[in-house]
Amino acid sequence: GAVVSQHPSWVICKSGTSVKIECRSLDFQATTMFWYRQFPKQSLMLMATSNEGSKATYEQGVEKDKFLINHASLTLSTLTVTSAHPEDSSFYICSASFGGGSDTQYFGPGTRLTVL
Amino acid sequence: GNSVTQMEGPVTLSEEAFLTINCTYTATGYPSLFWYVQYPGEGLQLLLKATKADDKGSNKGFEATYRKETTSFHLEKGSVQVSDSAVYFCALSGPRSSNTGKLIFGQGTTLQVKP
Repeated sequence: GAVVSQHPSWVICKSGTSVKIECRSLDFQATTMFWYRQFPKQSLMLMATSNEGSKATYEQGVEKDKFLINHASLTLSTLTVTSAHPEDSSFYICSASFGGGSDTQYFGPGTRLTVL
Repeated sequence: GNSVTQMEGPVTLSEEAFLTINCTYTATGYPSLFWYVQYPGEGLQLLLKATKADDKGSNKGFEATYRKETTSFHLEKGSVQVSDSAVYFCALSGPRSSNTGKLIFGQGTTLQVKP
């Protein structure tokens, strides 16, 4: 149980294009989803927290107009990297939790974004 | 603010050796503590957790005890296998009263187990 999927698993795009990454909780309803960015051989950096039906809360230094997050249902959150540039190349990971006081997060397998 | 510090890696061990990966934390209140594991090319998986002082989390032969007096949550395993080679992340989340669910991760420790 508590499986989280991401799609696509990897994507290569040209500079200036936008890329959408989906995060789905497959067998549970996720009140809260989180988006992280992981640089090579480094830890995860939390980008934003999203609750179903409300606007995402972004961490300091993360551009909300650059990284658009939509949490339209209890099983789906999307991250759109707008006008991507090479410096946006990274490994993006989502996680989901049951919410309601539960503090365990279940992580997706990640999406490797390469911007040329 | 809250933070997590892990021992630097990589840690290289022979099969069946004893493993310790140190983790200390700084936090207000009483956070929950976690160990996550990331196998090559995969996402993070929850390995074990502890939610209050003196709790011991355990899974797959790994153990960690929540030590409030030393603000530590060291990961141990008595006999490692090659299949344990991965990156291990220590993390904490805020007390339930804060209800944010945000995780703060350590920098990760790479474990390499050689046959």
